[in-house]
Amino acid sequence: AQSVAQPEDQVNVAEGNPLTVKCTYSVSGNPYLFWYVQYPNRGLQFLLKYITGDNLVKGSYGFEAEFNKSQTSFHLKKPSALVSDSALYFCAVLSSNDYKLSFGAGTTVTVRA
Amino acid sequence: NAGVTQTPKFRVLKTGQSMTLLCAQDMNHEYMYWYRQDPGMGLRLIHYSVGEGTTAKGEVPDGYNVSRLKKQNFLLGLESAAPSQTSVYFCASSYYVGSAGYTFGSGTRLTVV
Repeated sequence: AQSVAQPEDQVNVAEGNPLTVKCTYSVSGNPYLFWYVQYPNRGLQFLLKYITGDNLVKGSYGFEAEFNKSQTSFHLKKPSALVSDSALYFCAVLSSNDYKLSFGAGTTVTVRA
Repeated sequence: NAGVTQTPKFRVLKTGQSMTLLCAQDMNHEYMYWYRQDPGMGLRLIHYSVGEGTTAKGEVPDGYNVSRLKKQNFLLGLESAAPSQTSVYFCASSYYVGSAGYTFGSGTRLTVV
């Protein structure tokens, strides 16, 4: 079975400060890892993914994530947060021998002006 | 392209009523999924389909049925709605395993009273 943990329900940062949203995972087989963002009353939007290759993945809106195999983590980062980054963020994992995404519980990010 | 379209967007049901949620995608995706989103629980997979004419149970299938008679459509049925099925339902589709993740619909907010 595969699972995803997002240990923080909420992350609060000031605009212009670095933003980090944590994610750890558990899978059998090689992991495919994803980050999605959800704005109020909207569906989920794809931010970035790790399939293979470079451990540092760059995605939309200036976000990046680092895959760490030894720590089974895939933390989302942004060097300088914007108020418009305030949203609900989901980490998801897919095993290489499966095709069903498993999602974390989500982390609400609030960026204050 | 419309992507993934869900209808209806909102619905209120009385306990015991039935309804069908429709998901349509125009991207020729093989895989389709139904998730429910509840606060603090992330997204949980209800049912999924790996191709026309196929369906399979996900993590929380009880109380739901699905059909995939046409490749582009994936229907989610509630035969006898219960208050515990109050949730936001998301449909998603993907082309193949390990692709750029899923494309999500904008969701259906269902309230069962």
